[in-house]
Amino acid sequence: SYVLTQPPSLSVAPGQKARITCGGNNIGTKSVHWYQQRPGQAPVLVVYDDSDRPSGIPERFSGSNSGNTATLTISSVAAGDEADYYCQVWDRDSYHVVFGGGTKLTVL
Amino acid sequence: EVQLVESGGGLVQPGGSLRLSCAASGFRFTNYWLHWVRQAPGKGLVWVSRIHSDGSRTNYADSVKGRFTISRDNAKNTLYLQMNSLRADDTAVYFCGRVRRDNSSGPELDYWGQGALVTVSS
Repeated sequence: SYVLTQPPSLSVAPGQKARITCGGNNIGTKSVHWYQQRPGQAPVLVVYDDSDRPSGIPERFSGSNSGNTATLTISSVAAGDEADYYCQVWDRDSYHVVFGGGTKLTVL
Repeated sequence: EVQLVESGGGLVQPGGSLRLSCAASGFRFTNYWLHWVRQAPGKGLVWVSRIHSDGSRTNYADSVKGRFTISRDNAKNTLYLQMNSLRADDTAVYFCGRVRRDNSSGPELDYWGQGALVTVSS
């Protein structure tokens, strides 16, 4: 089955850029979606279809996808961005939805 | 306002059964695919199942196939997850979610419920 690989953790100082990666075989051929999940809360969709933002999501959140890596970028990290982030794709070969293992973003 | 509210969670013994419900409001329920996603304590998100807007098509994760059944009652605006032969590793918070675009299988989910905790233990 299709596997998505994320780094378990990432630490970034306030105001700096955070890049959270999601690796998968030829992931550039799939649509990648990203979620933010704060402790004790339901996930929130922050990027869909590689690089589109739902209404209400700040422009600081952006996405890209090419080759074997998709990336969620937070351009200027704030304390409120501290959360777990998950990537997600549809695997048409297995008819399964796949989530990455998640990346815990810590704002220093 | 779109709302999804899960219910039916609780403590169940290994081998037992439980049915989760997800009551929806604020949108045209019959136009949307819906999903179940679970999260074991301290772990990541794991997809469980999905269902077509009219209930005609379903898919399951390998770990639950043959034990769990997803269904929906479009007259009641409610999604269900029937869970049988429960095991300790099914212990998790179960979320229902709505696909962002109507009449699309997604899987990007723009609205989620608050989650229902299922604990499988003797």
